[in-house]
Amino acid sequence: EIVMTQSPATLSVSPGERATLSCRASQSVGSSLAWYQQKPGQAPRLVIYAASTRATDIPARFSGSGSGTEFTLTISSLQSEDFAVYYCQQYNSWPPLTFGGGTKVEIK
Amino acid sequence: QVQLQESGPGLVKPSETLSLTCTVSGGSISGSTYYWGWIRQPPGGGLEWIASVYYTGSTYYNPPLKSRVAISVDTSKNQFSLRLSSVTAADTAIYFCARAGGGYDPFDYWGLGTLVTVSS
Repeated sequence: EIVMTQSPATLSVSPGERATLSCRASQSVGSSLAWYQQKPGQAPRLVIYAASTRATDIPARFSGSGSGTEFTLTISSLQSEDFAVYYCQQYNSWPPLTFGGGTKVEIK
Repeated sequence: QVQLQESGPGLVKPSETLSLTCTVSGGSISGSTYYWGWIRQPPGGGLEWIASVYYTGSTYYNPPLKSRVAISVDTSKNQFSLRLSSVTAADTAIYFCARAGGGYDPFDYWGLGTLVTVSS
């Protein structure tokens, strides 16, 4: 099983500032890495897939990078609607599909 | 626009079987390359993949749950289903159904989720 580890668990950021979230895989997943955004009471929403491709209707302030075992999600200028929990997921080697534990982006 | 909707009992007794159905609208569950999956999230917790199914009936399970889980697809009803047996309080969670674009794709469409509580 590929274990996904996200850091930090909580990120406190002021609106307009940059947020950088990390995701590490226990073994290489190539570029088969997705990021999801989840707001309270809602289903997860796909933000980034293939490590760096924005999903439909995702604003350009979201960007993903990395390959192999180290990945980053960057939100260049946080808007109020971006405060949420973000999960990474690998889909390179399964079963099982595995998610990281999540990073909560909160208002500083 | 594809939509997924979970349905099933919100309360299940310990040791009994949890049964959920996901109804897909706005697109066909059969054909193409789509995989259909179930993911759960305990209250205040993270996401855990449970199982996925291809329209042909091929199934894939998370090993820790494999002995208790069955996923199936009904193409005539455009639905897929989950059964989880011998439930305990640890199975209390929000259960989401979702679609992946292919066998090596992320989940791009999700249902709203349904809370299932295991309690006597």
